[in-house]
Amino acid sequence: GQQVMQIPQYQHVQEGEDFTTYCNSSTTLSNIQWYKQRPGGHPVFLIQLVKSGEVKKQKRLTFQFGEAKKNSSLHITATQTTDVGTYFCAGPRVTGGGNKLTFGTGTQLKVEL
Amino acid sequence: GAVVSQHPSWVICKSGTSVKIECRSLDFQATTMFWYRQFPKQSLMLMATSNEGSKATYEQGVEKDKFLINHASLTLSTLTVTSAHPEDSSFYICSASAGEYNSPLHFGNGTRLTVT
Repeated sequence: GQQVMQIPQYQHVQEGEDFTTYCNSSTTLSNIQWYKQRPGGHPVFLIQLVKSGEVKKQKRLTFQFGEAKKNSSLHITATQTTDVGTYFCAGPRVTGGGNKLTFGTGTQLKVEL
Repeated sequence: GAVVSQHPSWVICKSGTSVKIECRSLDFQATTMFWYRQFPKQSLMLMATSNEGSKATYEQGVEKDKFLINHASLTLSTLTVTSAHPEDSSFYICSASAGEYNSPLHFGNGTRLTVT
């Protein structure tokens, strides 16, 4: 079945360091979405990428969609304690249609002062 | 906009009892809502798709008689965990899309269920 893997599983950084999480799908995706889940909270939508090779920025966050539309990355420049949480990528389900998403395994980010 | 409200936020129940969780879209109509389950430090696993006015569709391995879903209106879906057991303890989250196909999901705050 469709699998969406993320690496690393965990990342501890010092505040001010950069952080990157990588997302790889076993199937080609029509789009990729990124969500952030704070500890004890629920996932919150960050961004959606649709085009092959697309790059989008949100302040210190840079999102990239691979040329083959099977991988994606999220890069955070100069992390802050507010960046703490788990970052999930998600892609549309290959079967079943609708807005069903397959979520990646997630990368948990911890930022230390 | 696109707010999803979920209630209760947490619940503790005894084995054998049933628990109902409500999911409401507050400022939009949702013909489809999704119910996810999340174990500690793990990803979100889709349990079922709740369809307004029709039967829910369940993912493989999810018991439909154990996890009853009702989507009686365009703004309300409920998940009832019947005859709960300790292994049902988990974080249950509903979500809905306010837009078209492939539009982002908006999640409720989640319900942390503990079965003793």
